Amino acid sequence: AQTVTQSQPEMSVQEAETVTLSCTYDTSESDYYLFWYKQPPSRQMILVIRQEAYKQQNATENRFSVNFQKAAKSFSLKISDSQLGDAAMYFCAYRTSGGGADGLTFGKGTHLIIQP
Amino acid sequence: DAGITQSPRHKVTETGTPVTLRCHQTENHRYMYWYRQDPGHGLRLIHYSYGVKDTDKGEVSDGYSVSRSKTEDFLLTLESATSSQTSVYFCAISDDPTDTQYFGPGTRLTVL
Repeated sequence: AQTVTQSQPEMSVQEAETVTLSCTYDTSESDYYLFWYKQPPSRQMILVIRQEAYKQQNATENRFSVNFQKAAKSFSLKISDSQLGDAAMYFCAYRTSGGGADGLTFGKGTHLIIQP
Repeated sequence: DAGITQSPRHKVTETGTPVTLRCHQTENHRYMYWYRQDPGHGLRLIHYSYGVKDTDKGEVSDGYSVSRSKTEDFLLTLESATSSQTSVYFCAISDDPTDTQYFGPGTRLTVL
């Protein structure tokens, strides 16, 4: 079974600075999908970014970018120019590309604090 | 935002009582999922559906059952609630199994 590990339970960053959240995963598959979700205090799960393993180019969405290292099974999220609204729990998730409709495997999350 | 609603949003119940949570979508997506979120565990898959009347178990399915009689509705039932089922429950939908999953607002369930 696949596992997803987020080794940083909590991170703190000054507003306007850059922060990187770590995620590693364990899989024997060669094709899969990786996601970062944000969960603010409202509890809503919001997609931040998605990466397809067969694409070598790192995904970016405005101030959010990933560093996808397939050989190292690492998928870190970089947030540039941090804003107060970025404060939230961040979850890394994995999805097999194989047949079937089984769901996402999530890490335990990283609580991101933005210091004004 | 994807059109996903969950009801109720909050519920307090007693041990041994049956509970049904409802997920309703307006996106006509084929795939629907139920997760639970507990401190220190992230989100874990309970059950999922890949079409009307087609469902399967996830990682933590013991004590839960599901039903899907219409594309838009996916019900999660706790036949006899226990305190270990106190959690926040999320529904998610996707158009394709490898597509992004979009989540509902969650239901906070407390079993006393």
